Amino acid sequence: AQTVTQSQPEMSVQEAETVTLSCTYDTSENNYYLFWYKQPPSRQMILVIRQEAYKQQNATENRFSVNFQKAAKSFSLKISDSQLGDTAMYFCAFPTLGIVGRSGGSNYKLTFGKGTLLTVNP
Amino acid sequence: NAGVTQTPKFRVLKTGQSMTLLCAQDMNHEYMYWYRQDPGMGLRLIHYSVGEGTTAKGEVPDGYNVSRLKKQNFLLGLESAAPSQTSVYFCASSSPPRGEVRTDTQYFGPGTRLTVL
Repeated sequence: AQTVTQSQPEMSVQEAETVTLSCTYDTSENNYYLFWYKQPPSRQMILVIRQEAYKQQNATENRFSVNFQKAAKSFSLKISDSQLGDTAMYFCAFPTLGIVGRSGGSNYKLTFGKGTLLTVNP
Repeated sequence: NAGVTQTPKFRVLKTGQSMTLLCAQDMNHEYMYWYRQDPGMGLRLIHYSVGEGTTAKGEVPDGYNVSRLKKQNFLLGLESAAPSQTSVYFCASSSPPRGEVRTDTQYFGPGTRLTVL
């Protein structure tokens, strides 16, 4: 079975500092994407960043970057210059194979980790 | 462009009552999903659809039914609500992946908080 593990239920960081959230996954696939979603108190699920497994370069989106270690099946999220608005639950997600669509393409459904609650302190 | 919307935002049911949650998307996405979110459990897939008229079971389908009569709508039904179905429900949609690469980025609705007494 393909699984996603987030080993840190809660973390905290001081404003303007850097924090890293960890995620490990298990798969026998070779080509895939990995995702980090953010869920602030508003409850809305927001895509933060995604990483393509076949790319060597780590993905970056402004203050958010990933450290992707394919051999170790590790996909951590680094938040630089933390802001109060970064306070949220963060979920790592990995697509697992679903049923075949009408167009013939394979469908992939997301398996989520249990989340890490990040609190940014002033 | 509203993205993914969910109706209602909140609902309280008594055990045994039925209800339907509506998800609508205006992005012409082929695939739609229903998740439930419980404390300490992350998001778990209930049912999903890969196209109009096609649905499939996810991780936790028991007690729920779904229908996808129109491409833009995905309905989640509870025939006889139970307290164990108290949860926050999220709908998501996505476009079909291209080629061999899994590019399936899902876009989420704002969620529905359901309480079953």
